[in-house]
Amino acid sequence: QSALTQPASVSGSPGQSITISCTGTSSDVGGYKYVSWYQQHPGKVPKLMIYDVSSRPSGVSNRFSGSKSGNTASLTISGLQAEDEADYYCSSYTSSNTRVFGGGTKLTVL
Amino acid sequence: EVQLVESGGGLVQPGGSLRLSCAVSGFTFSSYWMHWVRQAPGKGLVWVSHIKSDGSSINYADSVKGRFTISRDTAKNTLYLQMNSLRVEDTAVYYCARGLQGDVWGQGTTVTVSS
Repeated sequence: QSALTQPASVSGSPGQSITISCTGTSSDVGGYKYVSWYQQHPGKVPKLMIYDVSSRPSGVSNRFSGSKSGNTASLTISGLQAEDEADYYCSSYTSSNTRVFGGGTKLTVL
Repeated sequence: EVQLVESGGGLVQPGGSLRLSCAVSGFTFSSYWMHWVRQAPGKGLVWVSHIKSDGSSINYADSVKGRFTISRDTAKNTLYLQMNSLRVEDTAVYYCARGLQGDVWGQGTTVTVSS
């Protein structure tokens, strides 16, 4: 049950777009559509931003989008805003009927 | 309003036990998978366990298998996590989350394992 691989940090300026990658294997990310992305502000509860690779829950800004290619999923945030500064985690269902999270990515808005 | 409220955390010595509860309201509990996820201080999210809507499918992270037991009581609208043989490395905030995708989370309950 190895954690999915995410970059430790990414940064961007307001208005720009950034992409966070999430790399797994064919036994998790590559094998299923059940990839989710969560946003967590310091001291707060994680919030679901993307589910099933690219679906957005109601109330989540359309500036957030998800995609997948092979064993790597990606979260893209367009029109970066100061409030987007947070930690982001990907998660996937696995072939062992478990779940696995990525190590998390700290997004800094410059 | 959909709500998940965890309780049962606290300070326990290594080798001890705790039972966490997650009381839910505002939705049909029996229709949803439920998960436990933990977060050690300053660290990332780690999946702990999940249980299918009818309790027929359960699984655990390797790090807790054999020590933790997940269960649910539909009549009480409550999810549980029985934690035995606790270790220092189990120290974390424990969250319950709803559904296959974890669309709603509780506020968390803190477990500290220390002598």
